[in-house]
Amino acid sequence: DAGVIQSPRHEVTEMGQEVTLRCKPISGHDYLFWYRQTMMRGLELLIYFNNNVPIDDSGMPEDRFSAKMPNASFSTLKIQPSEPRDSAVYFCASSVKLGTDTQYFGPGTRLTVL
Amino acid sequence: DAKTTQPTSMDCAEGRAANLPCNHSTISGNEYVYWYRQIHSQGPQYIIHGLKNNETNEMASLIITEDRKSSTLILPHATLRDTAVYYCIVGYGQGAQKLVFGQGTRLTINP
Repeated sequence: DAGVIQSPRHEVTEMGQEVTLRCKPISGHDYLFWYRQTMMRGLELLIYFNNNVPIDDSGMPEDRFSAKMPNASFSTLKIQPSEPRDSAVYFCASSVKLGTDTQYFGPGTRLTVL
Repeated sequence: DAKTTQPTSMDCAEGRAANLPCNHSTISGNEYVYWYRQIHSQGPQYIIHGLKNNETNEMASLIITEDRKSSTLILPHATLRDTAVYYCIVGYGQGAQKLVFGQGTRLTINP
C-alpha cells in the first residue's frame, strides 16, 4: 500500500490567492482527518470525515477554510482567500473504523503564503 | 479530553533504553493512552496504545500504572533514527477518533 498521499508537497502562493490541498487516504479507511501544524500552535485537528461525511469541523479556523470529500478516495482542503498566517504544514491522515484508532499520516503539504 | 503532561526534552545514549514518561491524572476509565512520534519534517507515526495492561510491539513497550494516572513509553535499544518528538495522547477507543496532540517530548539520541 502506498500510504496516505498528499499533493502538492510544497506550495508557495501570494496573499489573497486560493489554495487547494489534496489527499488520497489509504484504501479501505473510513475516517479521514485534516491537521495543521505550526511552531506556535503545534498539531491541530481541523476537521474529520467518516464515510465521506464531515463529522467534526470545530477546528476549522474560519470561513476561509473549507474541506470536502466527494468520494472515499479523495479529499480537498481549500483556503480562499489565503493569508500569511495560514502558512503551516498541513497533514492528512486516515484510519479504519473497527478495532483501533491508529491514524496513518501523509507526508504533509508545506504551505507558504507571502 | 484528558490532558497529558510530558517533559519538554530528553536525551538518551544510542543503544540504551529510552524511557519517556507521561502524566494523565484526569484520564477516565474508558480512555486509551496512545503514543505517536514525529521525525523531523515527516507526518506523525503511530507507535503503540493501551488501556490498562502493559503492551509491547516491535517498536516499543508501554507501561501503564495501576491507577492509570501515568505511563511510560520504553524504546528498548534506542538508535539515532529514534530521534523525534514523542506525543502521549489520551482518547476514547473505537468510535471516537478525535486525538488531541500536545507539545510532546523531543527525544534526542546521542551517539
